[in-house]
Amino acid sequence: DTEVTQTPKHLVMGMTNKKSLKCEQHMGHRAMYWYKQKAKKPPELMFVYSYEKLSINESVPSRFSPECPNSSLLNLHLHALQPEDSALYLCASSKHPLQGGPYNEQFFGPGTRLTVL
Amino acid sequence: EDKVVQSPLSLVVHEGDTVTLNCSYEVTNFRSLLWYKQEKKAPTFLFMLTSSGIEKKSGRLSSILDKKELFSILNITATQTGDSAIYLCAVEAGTSGSRLTFGEGTQLTVNP
Repeated sequence: DTEVTQTPKHLVMGMTNKKSLKCEQHMGHRAMYWYKQKAKKPPELMFVYSYEKLSINESVPSRFSPECPNSSLLNLHLHALQPEDSALYLCASSKHPLQGGPYNEQFFGPGTRLTVL
Repeated sequence: EDKVVQSPLSLVVHEGDTVTLNCSYEVTNFRSLLWYKQEKKAPTFLFMLTSSGIEKKSGRLSSILDKKELFSILNITATQTGDSAIYLCAVEAGTSGSRLTFGEGTQLTVNP
């Protein structure tokens, strides 16, 4: 299984809503990532989890709250978002360097298209 | 700050043409360079390059890295309309081992 799955595919929310994005992989990868991608722009890294611990937070506003409940799951909790947060949110996973072997290849999920009204 | 620059940003060709996409980088502690193809949704992995001068090849696509001059090229021969996509170059650098810096991408359009 070389797939990263994300749910939901599309999400429309108001600025006062609370919602969560979910990501799952069963490749045994111990590094997982959240990216934000605006139209016609490259993905921008938001968070990196290494062995279920947050290792990189790219100065993301606190209205985005990541969570890694186990080695297969990654969530992104959303609260009080702004319209400018509308984007495609991509999850990715890869081997962690400690797992050995080629670890640089990140496998991406299909993304969640988020619209904030 | 790590920097990855791709050129051209946009390219329109006819089926059967050969294209060369460029990626240059300035990073600290280079580890690898990766090429991805992005159509409507998630980027899909094409190549990972870590050593200079060794060509990676997959069908009509090939790529090579020059670590002295700090660039990579992605070649696509006999292009097809299905090659139309954004091609992203990403560089892994630093000591954390898992941070990718992406270039802006090259939007390739192949017309019939």
